[in-house]
Amino acid sequence: DGGITQSPKYLFRKEGQNVTLSCEQNLNHDAMYWYRQDPGQGLRLIYYSQIVNDFQKGDIAEGYSVSREKKESFPLTVTSAQKNPTAFYLCASSIPGAYNEQFFGPGTRLTVL
Amino acid sequence: AQSVTQLDSQVPVFEEAPVELRCNYSSSVSVYLFWYVQYPNQGLQLLLKYLSGSTLVESINGFEAEFNKSQTSFHLRKPSVHISDTAEYFCAVSDLSHGAQKLVFGQGTRLTINP
Repeated sequence: DGGITQSPKYLFRKEGQNVTLSCEQNLNHDAMYWYRQDPGQGLRLIYYSQIVNDFQKGDIAEGYSVSREKKESFPLTVTSAQKNPTAFYLCASSIPGAYNEQFFGPGTRLTVL
Repeated sequence: AQSVTQLDSQVPVFEEAPVELRCNYSSSVSVYLFWYVQYPNQGLQLLLKYLSGSTLVESINGFEAEFNKSQTSFHLRKPSVHISDTAEYFCAVSDLSHGAQKLVFGQGTRLTINP
């Protein structure tokens, strides 16, 4: 079955540690996205990539980093510079086109202790 | 840049009652609109979309939304809700400015169905 996988579902880290969230898709989509979700704030775009080896900052990129070495994979690193990293993180992908319908993974809930 | 406003953060209704979740977007030359649904601790699932053509679009589970260009709205409705409709609903608009292809989301509306 085609889809987007995110692992792990739940992740716990100590303050000051970097952590990498995985996102893999087998939909053959060129574009991939990372969002952060906090209660009452909807989805905020962290980074996006429209093609392999290229990515752009979203609205809240500070304290995060990404790479896009393969079409299928778009890992997100939450660095120690991110002041409030505890959140639900969602990965999505889309076929580049005129309207950009996005398909979402199941999400990773990160808790920093 | 585009923006989306969902006017109600929470909407409680009784089972089998009708519901409307409101969504307004900032105007643009061309616009593509989406409603996504999110069940607890899950990702978002596409509920319905407006790309062109008929201004009334429907989902397979009884929801419908109407694109109103003059009022820049895309409200979601269901004539009779079920307990299983309890979820958070997000309205989104496609932002094609500056060559990017992004979705801009509203803040979400939590729909709670009471028996």
